[in-house]
Amino acid sequence: DAGVTQSPTHLIKTRGQHVTLRCSPISGHKSVSWYQQVLGQGPQFIFQYYEKEERGRGNFPDRFSARQFPNYSSELNVNALLLGDSALYLCASSRGMASTGELFFGEGSRLTVL
Amino acid sequence: GQNIDQPTEMTATEGAIVQINCTYQTSGFNGLFWYQQHAGEAPTFLSYNVLDGLEEKGRFSSFLSRSKGYSYLLLKELQMKDSASYLCAVRSLYSGGGADGLTFGKGTHLIIQP
Repeated sequence: DAGVTQSPTHLIKTRGQHVTLRCSPISGHKSVSWYQQVLGQGPQFIFQYYEKEERGRGNFPDRFSARQFPNYSSELNVNALLLGDSALYLCASSRGMASTGELFFGEGSRLTVL
Repeated sequence: GQNIDQPTEMTATEGAIVQINCTYQTSGFNGLFWYQQHAGEAPTFLSYNVLDGLEEKGRFSSFLSRSKGYSYLLLKELQMKDSASYLCAVRSLYSGGGADGLTFGKGTHLIIQP
């Protein structure tokens, strides 16, 4: 079975632009979470979506938004990009709200903002 | 808020045992997790503790003391492939993060020497 897939794997943007990152969860997983990982740091939680509804939100500005589709795939959108948004964006899926916490991470989308 | 502390870097010898400590401060504790992350790769789940005590899984064991806000990951019979970052993460009922909104530490970079 395929794992969590993310696209694109790498992208370069300039300040002020917007970006859309995409994630497909493992088949049968209904929960998708997004994390930001800056080099040398642990992942930082951005959003969780379960059954197309936002179930959790981290401490990120309103420039960050996300949604989940009926097939449980998800998009993360970031507007008005700043240099500090340069990071690895990780998507993780799990079985759902009753999970014991095992998250399955994708390989990530590495965003560089110039 | 939540705070997680773990050593930045550790070095150990192939075949030996290493213990990676993690201390945390949080309200509404609802689970502690360990993830392994090789350079340039996605984090992978190692263990989950929600009750006090030791959880053993092959060469890896994880311990939790909720009263002390303390956990450790024990790796036995170290192999070169164990060189990686080890991330301690906490789930809280009151963080607004939902079931999959984990707070990660900065990670411990483990170097295995021959």
